[in-house]
Amino acid sequence: AQKITQTQPGMFVQEKEAVTLDCTYDTSDQSYGLFWYKQPSSGEMIFLIYQGSYDEQNATEGRYSLNFQKARKSANLVISASQLGDSAMYFCAMREEKTGGFKTIFGAGTRLFVKA
Amino acid sequence: SAVISQKPSRDICQRGTSLTIQCQVDSQVTMMFWYRQQPGQSLTLIATANQGSEATYESGFVIDKFPISRPNLTFSTLTVSNMSPEDSSIYLCSVRLADLGYEQYFGPGTRLTVT
Repeated sequence: AQKITQTQPGMFVQEKEAVTLDCTYDTSDQSYGLFWYKQPSSGEMIFLIYQGSYDEQNATEGRYSLNFQKARKSANLVISASQLGDSAMYFCAMREEKTGGFKTIFGAGTRLFVKA
Repeated sequence: SAVISQKPSRDICQRGTSLTIQCQVDSQVTMMFWYRQQPGQSLTLIATANQGSEATYESGFVIDKFPISRPNLTFSTLTVSNMSPEDSSIYLCSVRLADLGYEQYFGPGTRLTVT
């Protein structure tokens, strides 16, 4: 069963506008973590933001904020004031505890195109 | 943060051969992970490699095909054995710094093409 769902294969946004990238997840654990990563065309994975399942406040990191709705099991990424350099692939990920440690699984990704 | 390097950065290999990918971290880390990213796809966890114990493989991945070594807290290798064109992917090493929070860092990846 798919545990991380990103329903938007591609998104377009005008430069300087805000954009929301959707992510829903499925877990029966009480303790888990949610991440967003950016992957530009160079291929590197860049950590953007983290939200713990027990965190009551939405996480923010500069222009990035995570809209965490626990009851809905959603963890949408909001990018404010989009820049051309934001054009990239964005992955939502979830960390789950497992025997001997934990593992992080990734969604299919959303490709963001920022238009000048 | 952690600085992670991988060697080689890319390679083109013939089917039936094997390639060993190295991952070096500038900090001691308890948990290291190997991921595969097939062309146009997301990341799939191959295995978790903890120092001092056998690697734990995810469903669909086996030790004979992807043997992993973890000789110390800063280094790991992943071997892709008896390669076929379906193994053409980016292979990424990832770490979580022990006791330093939640962030998980990734290496630059090894881009493998099998002909």
